[in-house]
Amino acid sequence: HLQLQESGPGLVKPSETLSLTCFVSGGSISGSNYYWGWIRQSPGKGLEWIGSVYYSGNTYYNPSLKSRVTLSVDTSENRFSLRVTSVTAADTAVYYCARQWRDQSLYYFDPWGQGTLVTVSS
Amino acid sequence: SYELTQPPSVSVSPGQTATITCSGDALPKQYAYWYQHKPGQAPVLVIYGDTRRPSGIPERFSGSSSGTTVTLTISGVQAEDEADYYCQSTDNTGTYEVFGGGTKLTVL
Repeated sequence: HLQLQESGPGLVKPSETLSLTCFVSGGSISGSNYYWGWIRQSPGKGLEWIGSVYYSGNTYYNPSLKSRVTLSVDTSENRFSLRVTSVTAADTAVYYCARQWRDQSLYYFDPWGQGTLVTVSS
Repeated sequence: SYELTQPPSVSVSPGQTATITCSGDALPKQYAYWYQHKPGQAPVLVIYGDTRRPSGIPERFSGSSSGTTVTLTISGVQAEDEADYYCQSTDNTGTYEVFGGGTKLTVL
């Protein structure tokens, strides 16, 4: 069955760039009905969608984060990545990657990775 | 920006029925989805397309929709259902995804 695993530094300094990769196993990242998304949860807060990317490289982003976020996909390695620039303490969160079904007006996330905590601190 | 509104908390005794609502202006036009999230675990999809239940999700989980409000109902609540529940949907134009603020379900 499909599995996703986030990977990346757990500590990032303020003003620097946060970079995470999601490795996909048990299925191809090149499926026609799927996007691949990033969602985060700041301490004590709810889930926040960051953005989603298609295997072709097409992307769509949360308007509130769009200026600082870039998503990319590597089909040869079956993985996709997140970059957030100019991070602050407000970017401290558990970051999740997930497959997003995006077809027939359905846009849900399933399954999800286990999540990785990223702390922004000097 | 588009928002989905959920009650912060719901409490029920084991065996009772829990109802969690989610309100948003675009819900008559866009489907809603529900996720169960337990501490330290990945969120799990429990309802998609307003009313559809993924395989492997117990029958006690059901979803409904009426106008600008969707509802997650858990019948015969069990202790293991204690978790945070989030609704998710899309804005009117399908441009971006939104999560509700989450509802903490406590099983007394």
